[in-house]
Amino acid sequence: GAVVSQHPSWVICKSGTSVKIECRSLDFQATTMFWYRQFPKQSLMLMATSNEGSKATYEQGVEKDKFLINHASLTLSTLTVTSAHPEDSSFYICSATGPRGGGSYEQYFGPGTRLTVT
Amino acid sequence: AQSVSQHNHHVILSEAASLELGCNYSYGGTVNLFWYVQYPGQHLQLLLKYFSGDPLVKGIKGFEAEFIKSKFSFNLRKPSVQWSDTAEYFCAVSSYGNNRLAFGKGNQVVVIP
Repeated sequence: GAVVSQHPSWVICKSGTSVKIECRSLDFQATTMFWYRQFPKQSLMLMATSNEGSKATYEQGVEKDKFLINHASLTLSTLTVTSAHPEDSSFYICSATGPRGGGSYEQYFGPGTRLTVT
Repeated sequence: AQSVSQHNHHVILSEAASLELGCNYSYGGTVNLFWYVQYPGQHLQLLLKYFSGDPLVKGIKGFEAEFIKSKFSFNLRKPSVQWSDTAEYFCAVSSYGNNRLAFGKGNQVVVIP
């Protein structure tokens, strides 16, 4: 149980175009989804927290207008990289949490999406 | 905000050697602690977690970790590694009641057959 998928697994796009990445929880309802960015040989950096039906909360330094996040249902969140540039090339990973009791949460991670902007 | 420190980014071991990876965090309140593993070409998988109770936590694949509150540490151990343990290991921390995770920079572990 607790499987998270991402689509596409990799994408190459031209500079200036927009790319949409989907994150789905396959067997549970994800009240919260997270988007991370991982540079080669580095750790995961949290970009934003997405709650179903409300606006995403972005981390400091992350451009809201560039990285559009939509969490329209309890099983789907999307990240759109608008007007992509080569510096946006990275590995984007989503995770999701389901309903939990108390204040302890576990995140389930998707397989990631490799974005290359040429 | 929490910060998480992992030292010795690159670790090279022979099979059957013991492994210990250090993790220290900066948050002073109640925390949830995690170790994730990322095998080459695969996604993050949870090795083990600590929410409360016994500070010695046993996870999958023979891994264990010990939460020492006084040292703000959650070190990962495995008594005898295998070649298949070659992977990147990430420590992560969240504060109780907050589901946002802060990750350490990771340890790249290479096990030589």
